Amino acid sequence: AQSVTQLGSHVSVSEGALVLLRCNYSSSVPPYLFWYVQYPNQGLQLLLKYTSAATLVKGINGFEAEFKKSETSFHLTKPSAHMSDAAEYFCAVRGGLTGGGNKLTFGTGTQLKVEL
Amino acid sequence: GAGVSQTPSNKVTEKGKYVELRCDPISGHTALYWYRQSLGQGPEFLIYFQGTGAADDSGLPNDRFFAVRPEGSVSTLKIQRTERGDSAVYLCASSLTIQGADTQYFGPGTRLTVL
Repeated sequence: AQSVTQLGSHVSVSEGALVLLRCNYSSSVPPYLFWYVQYPNQGLQLLLKYTSAATLVKGINGFEAEFKKSETSFHLTKPSAHMSDAAEYFCAVRGGLTGGGNKLTFGTGTQLKVEL
Repeated sequence: GAGVSQTPSNKVTEKGKYVELRCDPISGHTALYWYRQSLGQGPEFLIYFQGTGAADDSGLPNDRFFAVRPEGSVSTLKIQRTERGDSAVYLCASSLTIQGADTQYFGPGTRLTVL
């Protein structure tokens, strides 16, 4: 079974400040990990994904995430927040065909607020 | 190209009624997924199709929920005898294959409200 924990349901940062959104996962098989962003009244959009290649993954809009197996973490970061980054962010885990199936298991989400 | 589309975007119904929610996946995608997102929660898996067949329906909450994909493209999620607890946003996603690394592309969702 797989699960995802996102610490902090709400995060507030100043424009230009570092963004750090936390994600810890539990998986019985080597996982695939994803970050999605959801803007108000829109569908989920993929930011980036980890697929067992490089542990540091770069995504769209300047976001990146680092897979740390020893910490079972996949935290999302961005060096400098922009007002347009305000949205809800979801971390998700997916097992391979040998375990966990093909469904995504999502965390409960982190609402990012960017203040002037 | 066109993304995943879902109709209707909003559906309001009365308790006990039957509803159908439609999903048009990205052309050529063999896998199609349904998720349900309640207020303040992340999406929860309901069912997924590989081609025409339901490969995993373990997330369907009870036998009032049923989904079909008769021609391996469009899918319909059907809910019988709706209850107020069924109110949520129903999301559809598709992916090119069922490989674990494949991206699931999401539609905008159908917001279902059961009065």
